[in-house]
Amino acid sequence: QKEVEQNSGPLSVPEGAIASLNCTYSDRGSQSFFWYRQYSGKSPELIMFIYSNGDKEDGRFTAQLNKASQYVSLLIRDSQPSDSATYLCAAAPSGGYQKVTFGTGTKLQVIP
Amino acid sequence: DTAVSQTPKYLVTQMGNDKSIKCEQNLGHDTMYWYKQDSKKFLKIMFSYNNKELIINETVPNRFSPKSPDKAHLNLHINSLELGDSAVYFCASSQRQGVSYNEQFFGPGTRLTVL
Repeated sequence: QKEVEQNSGPLSVPEGAIASLNCTYSDRGSQSFFWYRQYSGKSPELIMFIYSNGDKEDGRFTAQLNKASQYVSLLIRDSQPSDSATYLCAAAPSGGYQKVTFGTGTKLQVIP
Repeated sequence: DTAVSQTPKYLVTQMGNDKSIKCEQNLGHDTMYWYKQDSKKFLKIMFSYNNKELIINETVPNRFSPKSPDKAHLNLHINSLELGDSAVYFCASSQRQGVSYNEQFFGPGTRLTVL
C-alpha cells in the first residue's frame, strides 16, 4: 500500500510563530509533492508544490523535500489565525497520469 | 467564474436509493477526478477520466459508476446506497502537461448523508 503519512494533530502554535508540518511517504517512485490547505467545510486548495530536493519558498511558506529520507515538510512563518486549517500532504509519480495519494492531514491551530 | 462546480451541495437520502452527483469544469482541463473524503478527512481517489477515457479506477464497489459525456463533465452515479457511503465527494480537474507538476482544482464538494 503506497501511503503518505502525517501527524493528525492538532498542532497549536501562537500567532507569529513558525508552524512546522511534516509528512513521510512510502513510494520511492513519488516525484511530485503537494501541500493543500483545507478550511473546515471547504475544498482543498493547493498552496505549494515541490519536486526537487531542497527548499522552495513562496511568501511565508517554505516546502522542504528530502527524497533520500522520503520526507516532505511545510514551514509557515509568522503564522496567522487565518492559517488555521487542515494541511494535506500529497505525492504523485512523475509523468503519465497523475494519481495523487493524499495523507490524512494535519490540523493546525494558530492561537491569537 | 472559471471553476469546478458540483451539484448538489448536500444530498440526504435513504439506504437503498440511487443517486447522482454532477460535476462540471470550465477551466479547459483534460483530466477530471472523483475523490471521497471520510469523516477523518482522508481524501481517497475513486476515479479519473482523461478526455472522456477512464484512466484510474480504484478499488471501489461497482455500485459506483462514473460517466464522462465530454471532457468538461464528470458525473457519479451511486446505486443501492449504504450507510458507509456517507462522506463528502469532491470532483477535481487538472491539465495534464506531461511534467511532474500538475495542480488539481477541487469543486466545493457534495456532502452525502445516507440514513
